[in-house]
Amino acid sequence: DQQVKQNSPSLSVQEGRISILNCDYTNSMFDYFLWYKKYPAEGPTFLISISSIKDKNEDGRFTVFLNKSAKHLSLHIVPSQPGDSAVYFCAASKDSGTYKYIFGTGTRLKVLA
Amino acid sequence: GAGVSQSPSNKVTEKGKDVELRCDPISGHTALYWYRQSLGQGLEFLIYFQGNSAPDKSGLPSDRFSAERTGGSVSTLTIQRTQQEDSAVYLCASSFRGSSYNEQFFGPGTRLTVL
Repeated sequence: DQQVKQNSPSLSVQEGRISILNCDYTNSMFDYFLWYKKYPAEGPTFLISISSIKDKNEDGRFTVFLNKSAKHLSLHIVPSQPGDSAVYFCAASKDSGTYKYIFGTGTRLKVLA
Repeated sequence: GAGVSQSPSNKVTEKGKDVELRCDPISGHTALYWYRQSLGQGLEFLIYFQGNSAPDKSGLPSDRFSAERTGGSVSTLTIQRTQQEDSAVYLCASSFRGSSYNEQFFGPGTRLTVL
């Protein structure tokens, strides 16, 4: 039962353009969402998060949008840079219980110079 | 400051052997999580510690898997009688306290290969 889905395993974008990574979830009890970035042979690093009381959160070149009715979130990176090339994981959590993250399967982003 | 560290970084073992994986969380972090990433899969939750107790072990795939945490710090994940399907990257994360709003910091992982 995949509660968090990233349906695009990979994405290629030209440097300077916008990258849009998508994530869908099924559990309406999730109230906190995060994006993590992972380089090879390293652990995931936190990128940006959003609470379910918001529909948008922005941090520099990174913006996360949350559409609760559609159970969908997206990460926008603009402008994309070659150093953004990595695997991006979407994660969801409930702010109760153990606060464990439920991760998607990841999207490999390649930014072409 | 020091991040989450894990050892060993790589472990190759034969089917049927026991393995121990170690995690050193960030000092002062009370919450500790173990996840694993199998090939082509997302990160799968295994177990959560708050201090030395494990209120959520729901992700442990079988009774061959166990974990402990001592002194509210170091944690070890033990896999007994390893099987080939145990091959994965095992990731440890810690956070200041158990809360969604406290970011989980991940270690680099231990890549386990069971031959």
